Amino acid sequence: DIQMTQSPSSLSASVGDRVTITCQASQDISNYLNWYQQKPGKAPKLLIYAASNLQTGVPSRFSGSGSGTDFTFTITNLQPEDIATYYCQHHDNFLFTFGPGTKVDIK
Amino acid sequence: EVQLVETGGGLIQPGGSLRLSCAASGFTVSSNYMTWVRQAPGKGLEWVSVIFSGGNTYSPDSVKGRFTISRDHSKNMVYLQMNSLRAEDTAVYYCARVTVTKTGAFDIWGQGTMVIVAS
Repeated sequence: DIQMTQSPSSLSASVGDRVTITCQASQDISNYLNWYQQKPGKAPKLLIYAASNLQTGVPSRFSGSGSGTDFTFTITNLQPEDIATYYCQHHDNFLFTFGPGTKVDIK
Repeated sequence: EVQLVETGGGLIQPGGSLRLSCAASGFTVSSNYMTWVRQAPGKGLEWVSVIFSGGNTYSPDSVKGRFTISRDHSKNMVYLQMNSLRAEDTAVYYCARVTVTKTGAFDIWGQGTMVIVAS
């Protein structure tokens, strides 16, 4: 099975900062990588699909890149409402795997 | 409006059974891949089960043989039958739609239903 890792596990940044989260797959997954935002007490929300495609209605300060085994999720101009945990997720034939998550706080 | 609403959670004793329901509106569940994802208290997301549009179902080893996903086309609903429940199954359970055209992304989520396995 393919394993997904994320780093860092948590971070603190200031409003307006650029925030970068990385996700690494244990083997080549092409662009089969999605990103979610989960705010406390809420269901996750799809932000990015196929590594770099912005889901409809998601602000353009969110972006994703990468392919193969290494992926990056970026928030430019961090806003207070971006406080959440962010997860990467992979789909491989019959299995779905989430990364362990990255908690983003405001400094 | 496209939405999912889960029901059926609650407190259940270890070894017991519970069936979760997920009512869909705004789209047809049998034309889509549908899935269940859970989140234990303070923990990350864990995929639990999927049913493909063709009817095939898959689950990870952690629940295989205990959990069964199904759907009812006439009611436009998805279910998760959970048997032989263990304390480690305690979690919020989310129903979600899978978009095959978007690399298996879960684009629609329900609000979740809490399952507590305890004596």
